Amino acid sequence: EVQLLESGGGLVQPGGSLRLSCVASGFTFSGSAMGWVRQAPGKGLEWVSTFGSGGDTYYADSVKGRFTVSRDNSKNTLYLQMSSLRAEDTAVYYCAKYYIRHFDSWGQGTLVTVSS
Amino acid sequence: QSALTQPASVSGSPGQSITISCTGTSSDIGAYNYVSWYQQHPGRAPKLMIYDVSNRPSGVSNRFSGSKSGNTASLTISGLQAEDEADYYCSSPSSSSTRVFGGGTKLTVL
Repeated sequence: EVQLLESGGGLVQPGGSLRLSCVASGFTFSGSAMGWVRQAPGKGLEWVSTFGSGGDTYYADSVKGRFTVSRDNSKNTLYLQMSSLRAEDTAVYYCAKYYIRHFDSWGQGTLVTVSS
Repeated sequence: QSALTQPASVSGSPGQSITISCTGTSSDIGAYNYVSWYQQHPGRAPKLMIYDVSNRPSGVSNRFSGSKSGNTASLTISGLQAEDEADYYCSSPSSSSTRVFGGGTKLTVL
């Protein structure tokens, strides 16, 4: 059974930084593409970033230059380093397994709140 | 990376069928046969319901079906059940290897 467990969320001031982690189990992590999707309170889903199994990375325009996705295959862990955080980055951040062209498994999410 | 357009809400009675539309452009839905649909109950993570326009993952009821015509994709739920009440989101690849989601549709089972 695929399991994805996010952590690292919390309250951070505008302009601050935070690193999210997603520990994966139940599948071959090193051979899988992964991604981050966020959901602002009461709003819809927004694609944030994708990390391909070959090392290619992609970002939404809204986070490009501020967020960096990375992975440690030895730890089965996906990361999202977020910097220069803004109030509009406040959201639940979901880690998801990306298979070919869709997200087939999702974690439960971690809440990031950007506020002074 | 503009969001795909979905109706804000749809409703139906138990046993009826409903269809949720998802309209994009020739750069996303129209360019790829990779539309996916996700169901999200309040306070829960999204769940994949349809992928590659019309394919169902193992374990998803065959009451859920998907289709696409031009720049518009559709999700149809037949034989509505109370448990189908949730938010539904469509998604598609877009240009430059990015992805885009729809704004979401709230399904109410009357």
